[in-house]
Amino acid sequence: QAVLTQPSSLSASPGASASLTCTLRSGINVGTYRIYWYQQKPGSPPQFLLRYKSDSDKQQGSGVPSRFSGSKDASANAGILLISGLQSEDEADYYCMIWYSSAWVFGGGTKLTVL
Amino acid sequence: EVQLVESGGGLVHPGGSLRLSCAASGFTFSSYALSWVRQAPGKGLEWVSFISGSGDSTYYADSVKGRFTISRDNSKNTLYLQMNSLRAEDTAVYHCAKAAQGSGSLGMDVWGKGTTVIVSS
Repeated sequence: QAVLTQPSSLSASPGASASLTCTLRSGINVGTYRIYWYQQKPGSPPQFLLRYKSDSDKQQGSGVPSRFSGSKDASANAGILLISGLQSEDEADYYCMIWYSSAWVFGGGTKLTVL
Repeated sequence: EVQLVESGGGLVHPGGSLRLSCAASGFTFSSYALSWVRQAPGKGLEWVSFISGSGDSTYYADSVKGRFTISRDNSKNTLYLQMNSLRAEDTAVYHCAKAAQGSGSLGMDVWGKGTTVIVSS
């Protein structure tokens, strides 16, 4: 089982909110980890969006709008990237990442379609 | 402005070698850890290797351990990835990425555009 699991795709309408999940493998406690989120558009390198561990340990990427925010769902053992007020330019691939067992580990990515 | 520019990619036969470079500017190079991250065609991101600012600490993904070597020349502001015993599954775009905080404990905040490696006979 993968360390980080993301749904492969998600669709949402312009103006709506999208909640992208990053589920940690059973036995890996989400509360312990900083979760990093990256956005990647076709033909471009990933862009750092934010990191989130708790409300007192979080960081927004430079120039990243506040409508991108991070949180956790402890009951689901998952990190969450919430995008509010969806815009067409938010259509992209989104990856989560943690530092686990002396390695950076990425989730498989979620392709967000805004339509 | 922070810039990372990769080079050295190309077509190589299985079993061959290649050395990638990443030229950095816009920050105090020796103060920041760096990583290599790759992306196979149509696939997701895969972290490859990490090196501390001084070069004393290195980490590797299991998929490349023993075949790839990360290094840096702080006098030239350049990061390297020596890739030996290349396999078809190493085919990917290779990005270098700068640590968000010097030690590397807070992820990567700036990425280069990448250089393409194709391993094929």
